[in-house]
Amino acid sequence: GESVGLHLPTLSVQEGDNSIINCAYSNSASDYFIWYKQESGKGPQFIIDIRSNMDKRQGQRVTVLLNKTVKHLSLQIAATQPGDSAVYFCAETSAGGTSYGKLTFGQGTILTVHP
Amino acid sequence: KAGVTQTPRYLIKTRGQQVTLSCSPISGHRSVSWYQQTPGQGLQFLFEYFSETQRNKGNFPGRFSGRQFSNSRSEMNVSTLELGDSALYLCASSLGRGGTDTQYFGPGTRLTVL
Repeated sequence: GESVGLHLPTLSVQEGDNSIINCAYSNSASDYFIWYKQESGKGPQFIIDIRSNMDKRQGQRVTVLLNKTVKHLSLQIAATQPGDSAVYFCAETSAGGTSYGKLTFGQGTILTVHP
Repeated sequence: KAGVTQTPRYLIKTRGQQVTLSCSPISGHRSVSWYQQTPGQGLQFLFEYFSETQRNKGNFPGRFSGRQFSNSRSEMNVSTLELGDSALYLCASSLGRGGTDTQYFGPGTRLTVL
C-alpha cells in the first residue's frame, strides 16, 4: 500500500520578519535540548542548545526558549533571511544516565523565507 | 577541521542484498551515532559506538548492525534488505563524554532498495 509520510508543519515568512518555530517534547527525563537545521541534500546542522536549568539562551540571531512545565521548546530567528529556509528539528536527550549518543528528534518544521 | 564524512553518498540495492555504509568522524571525536531518516518516521536513532563498543541501541531489528574501529571510524551494515529500508542514513560524531556533547552530522548516505 501507499506509505503515509509525516506532514511537517510549515512556516512561511517574509525576509526580515522574525520567525518562531515551536516544538513539544515528550520525555520528562530529558534535560538537554538542541535545535538543528537541515537544508536539502545535507545533514542536520547544529544551531543552538539549552540545558534544563535554563529557560532562555541566545545566539547570533537565534534564541531558544524552554518551558519545562508544559514541555515546550521554541526557536526564535530574528530578521529571517532566505538562507534560513530549511527544515528545523528540535531534539532532546539526557545529559547523564545511559542516553549515550541518542537524540530523540521532533518531526520538524519547514521554514520558507520569501524575498 | 574536516567535518563528518560518509561514503558512499548514494547507493541502490535490491531486496535481499546487504549493504555497508561508512562514517569517518571529526578528528578527535570518539563517539559515532547512526540515524535513519525517512519521510514516514522522521529521524530515528539506530545505535551509538564509543571506543569500539556499542553503548546504546535504538529499536531496530537485528538486521541493522554496526561496528567501530580503533581510529573511531564506523560502519553500519544492513542485511537482507527490505523495501522499507530505503532511507537517508546519517551518522553523527561527538567527543562522547556525555549527553551534552554536541553531535555533528555528516551529509548522509541515500539508500534506495528496489
